[in-house]
Amino acid sequence: AQRVTQPEKLLSVFKGAPVELKCNYSYSGSPELFWYVQYSRQRLQLLLRHISRESIKGFTADLNKGETSFHLKKPFAQEEDSAMYYCALRTGNQFYFGTGTSLTVIP
Amino acid sequence: DAGITQSPRYKITETGRQVTLMCHQTWSHSYMFWYRQDLGHGLRLIYYSAAADITDKGEVPDGYVVSRSKTENFPLTLESATRSQTSVYFCASRRPGNTGELFFGEGSRLTVL
Repeated sequence: AQRVTQPEKLLSVFKGAPVELKCNYSYSGSPELFWYVQYSRQRLQLLLRHISRESIKGFTADLNKGETSFHLKKPFAQEEDSAMYYCALRTGNQFYFGTGTSLTVIP
Repeated sequence: DAGITQSPRYKITETGRQVTLMCHQTWSHSYMFWYRQDLGHGLRLIYYSAAADITDKGEVPDGYVVSRSKTENFPLTLESATRSQTSVYFCASRRPGNTGELFFGEGSRLTVL
């Protein structure tokens, strides 16, 4: 069963424009959600987690239990934000990842 | 601070051959994971391990074998490689505690001809 859905495989925005990467999840329990990012030629790394309610590199993500969503947002995209972004759901000891969204920020 | 390392980084093999991908972590994290990354499928869990000598299947375990004789090592073996196992393989370990952050290796790109 698809637990994490990222509907956009590719997303392009212009520098300075707002960006939103969508993530929806399916889980009956209390979810723990994360965003991971993979920059070109780098390893996957944690960007942010919902329990921290933090802003990292200008990105924020709010857990909406009613809509079962955890969309990643940034008000002004930068060229260095170009990367592959994965939404992940932790259930117990396992992490389930979405199919990823490749973000390109056009100069 | 090496963290988590994978070897080899690149491997080309032929159908039917056995291949072992190595994963080593220096943090003594209990949990370790193997994922494969494929276009259109994202990251899928192959196997994971809660501690030495404790392993369990993930979403796509068929065709793979793992072992964990020491906490720091978690090798993944393809006993008889198939073309469908061409992929990028990522090893990860999990930080203890409720936050559960995963730390990933750099990945091993495997091509099966």
